[in-house]
Amino acid sequence: QKEVEQNSGPLSVPEGAIASLNCTYSDRGSQSFFWYRQYSGKSPELIMSIYSNGDKEDGRFTAQLNKASQYVSLLIRDSQPSDSATYLCAVKADSGYALNFGKGTSLLVTP
Amino acid sequence: DVKVTQSSRYLVKRTGEKVFLECVQDMDHENMFWYRQDPGLGLRLIYFSYDVKMKEKGDIPEGYSVSREKKERFSLILESASTNQTSMYLCASSLFLGANTEAFFGQGTRLTVV
Repeated sequence: QKEVEQNSGPLSVPEGAIASLNCTYSDRGSQSFFWYRQYSGKSPELIMSIYSNGDKEDGRFTAQLNKASQYVSLLIRDSQPSDSATYLCAVKADSGYALNFGKGTSLLVTP
Repeated sequence: DVKVTQSSRYLVKRTGEKVFLECVQDMDHENMFWYRQDPGLGLRLIYFSYDVKMKEKGDIPEGYSVSREKKERFSLILESASTNQTSMYLCASSLFLGANTEAFFGQGTRLTVV
């Protein structure tokens, strides 16, 4: 069974702080890594993808990947109350079609 | 923009009914997927399709079937709905087999079986 693990939270951070979300995965053949944001009652929305070791930045979001440690993270700088949502980590192997999802981390940004 | 559209936002069906959930994508994607999402269990893959008329079982296919007669349309069928199939159903699509292909989701169908 290919596992994708996330701390369920809730992770609570004050407005303006950095939120750090973490994800580990068990399949060493994983090659593609994604972060989705899901607001309550809505469908997941892709916010970041990362395929190589290191950091990838997009606006206030930074994804970090360490394949040796089988670890991927998402940093949200200058967190806003509108960032309050569940963040889903998703992983895909080169040979696979479907994404394998973690159960998500609930983030609460307090004003 | 990629658009994945699910036919219904909310559905209420009776136990034993045959239920059809429809999904259409407009980006000529090869792959289409059906997930269900339940509190505490996350997203679980039911079935996927990588081409017209091709389908593969996911992690929880029991009680479901699928149909893909056209590239843009992927249907999920509950043969005989049961209360344990009450859930949020999410359709997704992606471009083709390969590393750098993210999946895009429809708006979801919240199905209640009574």
